[in-house]
Amino acid sequence: DGGITQSPKYLFRKEGQNVTLSCEQNLNHDAMYWYRQDPGQGLRLIYYSQIVNDFQKGDIAEGYSVSREKKESFPLTVTSAQKNPTAFYLCASRIPRGPNTGELFFGEGSRLTVL
Amino acid sequence: KQEVTQIPAALSVPEGENLVLNCSFTDSAIYNLQWFRQDPGKGLTSLLLIQSSQREQTSGRLNASLDKSSGRSTLYIAASQPGDSATYLCAQAGTALIFGKGTTLSVSS
Repeated sequence: DGGITQSPKYLFRKEGQNVTLSCEQNLNHDAMYWYRQDPGQGLRLIYYSQIVNDFQKGDIAEGYSVSREKKESFPLTVTSAQKNPTAFYLCASRIPRGPNTGELFFGEGSRLTVL
Repeated sequence: KQEVTQIPAALSVPEGENLVLNCSFTDSAIYNLQWFRQDPGKGLTSLLLIQSSQREQTSGRLNASLDKSSGRSTLYIAASQPGDSATYLCAQAGTALIFGKGTTLSVSS
């Protein structure tokens, strides 16, 4: 079945460590997104990519990094520079925006906890 | 700054009731509006997508409408069931993709 796979589902990190969250999609979508979800704050955009080898900062990119070497994959690294990384992270993908922009699909999320 | 607002933030109803969730947006350059469902600790599941050229979409007991002139969308749930309990979010695709904070629905049996 087509979809978006995020891993790991749960991740614990010690302060000062970098961690990488995986996002893989087999929907043949060009655009991929990373969101952070905190209680009471809704979804906030971290990074997005409209095409392979290109990505843009979202509203809260500080302390995060991404790469887009393959169409199917858009990993997110949470670096030690991110001051409050404990959150629920969601990856999404779709056909890029335009007059006939497509449906947005989400993965099941990764919950990161800093110990 | 463009915004998407969902009212009410929380709603409790008995099983069998018909209900309406509201979503208002400020960006007039809308491409589409999408409704999602999120269960606790899970990702978002797409329910309905309304393109800007459409006025409504239906799927089973769900019906979503779009009124661009007033900047509003509604999600109508018919004959609610306890399994409908979840958080419902709307998202507007326009000059940016903007999410509302959601309405948390609780349906009691």
